[in-house]
Amino acid sequence: DAGVTQSPTHLIKTRGQQVTLRCSPISGHKSVSWYQQVLGQGPQFIFQYYEKEERGRGNFPDRFSARQFPNYSSELNVNALLLGDSALYLCASSSWTSGFTDTQYFGPGTRLTVL
Amino acid sequence: KQEVTQIPAALSVPEGENLVLNCSFTDSAIYNLQWFRQDPGKGLTSLLLIQSSQREQTSGRLNASLDKSSGRSTLYIAASQPGDSATYLCASQGGSEKLVFGKGTKLTVNP
Repeated sequence: DAGVTQSPTHLIKTRGQQVTLRCSPISGHKSVSWYQQVLGQGPQFIFQYYEKEERGRGNFPDRFSARQFPNYSSELNVNALLLGDSALYLCASSSWTSGFTDTQYFGPGTRLTVL
Repeated sequence: KQEVTQIPAALSVPEGENLVLNCSFTDSAIYNLQWFRQDPGKGLTSLLLIQSSQREQTSGRLNASLDKSSGRSTLYIAASQPGDSATYLCASQGGSEKLVFGKGTKLTVNP
């Protein structure tokens, strides 16, 4: 079975631009979460979506938004990019069938560079 | 607010050595504790998940323990190999899908 997939792998943008990152969860998983990992730090939670509804939001500005589609894939959008948005963006999926005890599986990430 | 700390930040050992990585968390009201491996510039690979009702989990040469009362978890790696070189991250999960990560321990196993 395919794992979590993310696209694109790398992305270079300039300040003020907008970017869309994509994630496809493991087949059968209905929960998708997004994380930002700045170099040298642990990942920071941005959003969680389950059954197409937002279920959790981290401490990120409104420039960050996301959505989940009927096939459970997800997009993360970032508007008005800042240099500080340069990071590895990770997507994770889980089945969430037993509450909060399911393993979350991470994709390879999208490396965003803002110039 | 949950805070997760990992010590040491970096560790270098000779091949074959047994080693322990430490993780501490401030809020003991967790549902589970997960250990991940991250290779440079890559995503996270789940190693072990310990539910709050469990004390330890084992997978091959890896053993993770959890002591909720003291807010600590350890990852024990037996007979380390150069292929074990990576950054190891621990993450706690409370009453939501959100994982709170430490900054990781960068492990180097020298041949």
